[in-house]
Amino acid sequence: ILNVEQSPQSLHVQEGDSTNFTCSFPSSNFYALHWYRWETAKSPEALFVMTLNGDEKKKGRISATLNTKEGYSYLYIKGSQPEDSATYLCALNAGNNRKLIWGLGTSLAVNP
Amino acid sequence: NAGVTQTPKFQVLKTGQSMTLQCAQDMNHNSMYWYRQDPGMGLRLIYYSASEGTTDKGEVPNGYNVSRLNKREFSLRLESAAPSQTSVYFCASSGGLAGDDTQYFGPGTRLTVL
Repeated sequence: ILNVEQSPQSLHVQEGDSTNFTCSFPSSNFYALHWYRWETAKSPEALFVMTLNGDEKKKGRISATLNTKEGYSYLYIKGSQPEDSATYLCALNAGNNRKLIWGLGTSLAVNP
Repeated sequence: NAGVTQTPKFQVLKTGQSMTLQCAQDMNHNSMYWYRQDPGMGLRLIYYSASEGTTDKGEVPNGYNVSRLNKREFSLRLESAAPSQTSVYFCASSGGLAGDDTQYFGPGTRLTVL
């Protein structure tokens, strides 16, 4: 059974802090890695899809890197703002079959 | 362009009652999905439809049935609701056939089974 792990489970930072979280997955089973942002009482919203080892993606203050050889991806948020407070999910697609394997997420709270 | 819509937003059922959750997307996507989300657990796939006319079981299909009515609509039916089906249900869709296609989610249905 494939497992996707995210750490830390939760994080509290002050406004302006930069932060990062980790998504780990089996390196032998990789097709694509998805990052989603999930605000309370809303639905998950896609941030990035990453497919190649060494990929780096950026959207505003949020960026992500991918290492498929060692089986991890990092999500970075530079200068956190209160509106960044959300749960950040990663999901692995281990084959070209459209079934995503979801991590439990990292819950980020940014204090003003 | 509404994206993915779901109805109802909230529902309370008694054990043994049946109901259908509706989902529609207006993005001309081929693939659609039903997930459930429970506290302490990740999103779990119930059923999915790769394309119009096809449906397949996901990780937790027991107690559910689905219908891909047409390209736009994908419904989830609970024939005899049980308290274990209390959950938040999300419908999602994706455009192409590749595993790197982004999934777009609906707003969710919060279901309570008493």
